[in-house]
Amino acid sequence: AQTVTQSQPEMSVQEAETVTLSCTYDTSESDYYLFWYKQPPSRQMILVIRQEAYKQQNATENRFSVNFQKAAKSFSLKISDSQLGDAAMYFCASLISGTYKYIFGTGTRLKVLA
Amino acid sequence: NAGVTQTPKFRVLKTGQSMTLLCAQDMNHEYMYWYRQDPGMGLRLIHYSVGEGTTAKGEVPDGYNVSRLKKQNFLLGLESAAPSQTSVYFCASRQGAVTEAFFGQGTRLTVV
Repeated sequence: AQTVTQSQPEMSVQEAETVTLSCTYDTSESDYYLFWYKQPPSRQMILVIRQEAYKQQNATENRFSVNFQKAAKSFSLKISDSQLGDAAMYFCASLISGTYKYIFGTGTRLKVLA
Repeated sequence: NAGVTQTPKFRVLKTGQSMTLLCAQDMNHEYMYWYRQDPGMGLRLIHYSVGEGTTAKGEVPDGYNVSRLKKQNFLLGLESAAPSQTSVYFCASRQGAVTEAFFGQGTRLTVV
């Protein structure tokens, strides 16, 4: 069965510092996608970053980058130069290529301290 | 540029009442989804659709029904609401060839 685990229910970071959110997943498939979604207090789900499993290079979007360790089935999100607007719930998710269902983790609530 | 629109945004129901949540997308997406979000449980898939006229069960389908009579609309029905259905409901859609899902703003439903 496909699972996604986020073991950190809550994290805090000082403004301008760097924080890493952890995510592990389990799948027997070789072709899949991994995502990080951000959910601010407005409730809107926003895609932060996406990683294709066949790509060895870690995805990067401005201050957001991932550390994708395929053998370890780990997919962590690093936020550099944290800003107050980064405070949100972050969800890790997976999608097997050619299928329909996204599997979400339970989320990590990030607090950014001024 | 509406994207995915959910109606209503908030609703309070009494136990046993029925209601329908409407999801509309204007991106001509093939796939549509209904999720529920509960504290500490992430998003769980209720039902999904891979095209007009087709629906399938997700991991928590009991107590819900869905219909996709038009490609742009995906309706979620609660026939007899129960307090356990108090949750935030999200609709999402995506194009088949693209992996990113686009979400609506959610509906907060309280069943008393």
